[in-house]
Amino acid sequence: DAEITQSPRHKITETGRQVTLACHQTWNHNNMFWYRQDLGHGLRLIHYSYGVQDTNKGEVSDGYSVSRSNTEDLPLTLESAASSQTSVYFCASSLSPGQDPRGSGNTIYFGEGSWLTVV
Amino acid sequence: AQSVAQPEDQVNVAEGNPLTVKCTYSVSGNPYLFWYVQYPNRGLQFLLKYITGDNLVKGSYGFEAEFNKSQTSFHLKKPSALVSDSALYFCAVRDTSGTYKYIFGTGTRLKVLA
Repeated sequence: DAEITQSPRHKITETGRQVTLACHQTWNHNNMFWYRQDLGHGLRLIHYSYGVQDTNKGEVSDGYSVSRSNTEDLPLTLESAASSQTSVYFCASSLSPGQDPRGSGNTIYFGEGSWLTVV
Repeated sequence: AQSVAQPEDQVNVAEGNPLTVKCTYSVSGNPYLFWYVQYPNRGLQFLLKYITGDNLVKGSYGFEAEFNKSQTSFHLKKPSALVSDSALYFCAVRDTSGTYKYIFGTGTRLKVLA
């Protein structure tokens, strides 16, 4: 079955280190997203991509970067981890309008999450 | 700005009673609305969506939601709650300005009491 997988599921890192969270989907979705989930804030968009070589900043992009070299993967990099980046990170994907000719509404599907602790 | 509001942080309901989890939205144009459920230490699972058509939408696990354009609401409902429905519920709207981003509410924790 097609799916979206994240790795690692849990990670503890030190302040100042570079960290990369992997996201891989097998649905051939053009759109991919990274969110962080924090108590009281719900889900906040970090970065998103509409296809290969396309990346865009979300509402909380400072300190994060992404790259899209193929359709399946959108890794999220924390350039220099800070304690404020301790959070749960979710990758998600959806069809693009060009992939959804029936206009079914582009449901977004989520991975299982990556728990990151910065100490 | 486009937004979603879930006015209740937590909803408590007795098992077997009907439940409602509230959601209101603010978007320009016709909204695409979604409900997701999150169980502990898991990702968000899609429950149902409203795109167009009948205002009452049925989804997974016996849930349904009613789209009300005049009240800009999309409340999640279930006729008879189960203890296993206890989870965190998120309402979301897809951005209608052409960016195809999804805007989520802050979540409502549903607790079904046996």
